[in-house]
Amino acid sequence: AQSVSQHNHHVILSEAASLELGCNYSYGGTVNLFWYVQYPGQHLQLLLKYFSGDPLVKGIKGFEAEFIKSKFSFNLRKPSVQWSDTAEYFCAVEEGQNFVFGPGTRLSVLP
Amino acid sequence: DAMVIQNPRYQVTQFGKPVTLSCSQTLNHNVMYWYQQKSSQAPKLLFHYYDKDFNNEADTPDNFQSRRPNTSFCFLDIRSPGLGDAAMYLCATSGWTGSAFFGQGTRLTVV
Repeated sequence: AQSVSQHNHHVILSEAASLELGCNYSYGGTVNLFWYVQYPGQHLQLLLKYFSGDPLVKGIKGFEAEFIKSKFSFNLRKPSVQWSDTAEYFCAVEEGQNFVFGPGTRLSVLP
Repeated sequence: DAMVIQNPRYQVTQFGKPVTLSCSQTLNHNVMYWYQQKSSQAPKLLFHYYDKDFNNEADTPDNFQSRRPNTSFCFLDIRSPGLGDAAMYLCATSGWTGSAFFGQGTRLTVV
């Protein structure tokens, strides 16, 4: 079965720092990839998704992610984080009708 | 406009007393999911419906059951809640776009 790993459990950045969160999935083939964000006390929201085409996808709030098939990776990036980006970030892979989530990365942005 | 609605937002139940959580959707999506999310962990899929076809995850305890009487509604029944079942329960739907849309969750407390 598919599994998803995220490189960091907790990332602490200062405002305006650049962000990269790592995500790897366990095996290839055709996959749909997602990043979800969960702000404190709120529900999961979709940040961006990759199905096919351009491997660099842009999402909401200035986030982007790059799909690298050869590395089974789908890393999330943002050039300049804000305090309001403090949240938990989940990478997910769609396998059949099932979404497999990574363990999440907690991002804390210091003002 | 809320598209995936979960009720109630907070549920307190007694140890061993059956409890039902509800989810409704206005998206007309054919797939509905129930996830369990414990603190600081990734959502864990319990089961999902593809239309009326029920798909149970192998490691979902028998204590958890689900009903989907129609496209719009889906219920999670916990027959005999234990202290370990205290968690956030997330309902999600997906349709032809492939992305999953999540409700705000129901936080279950077992006393």
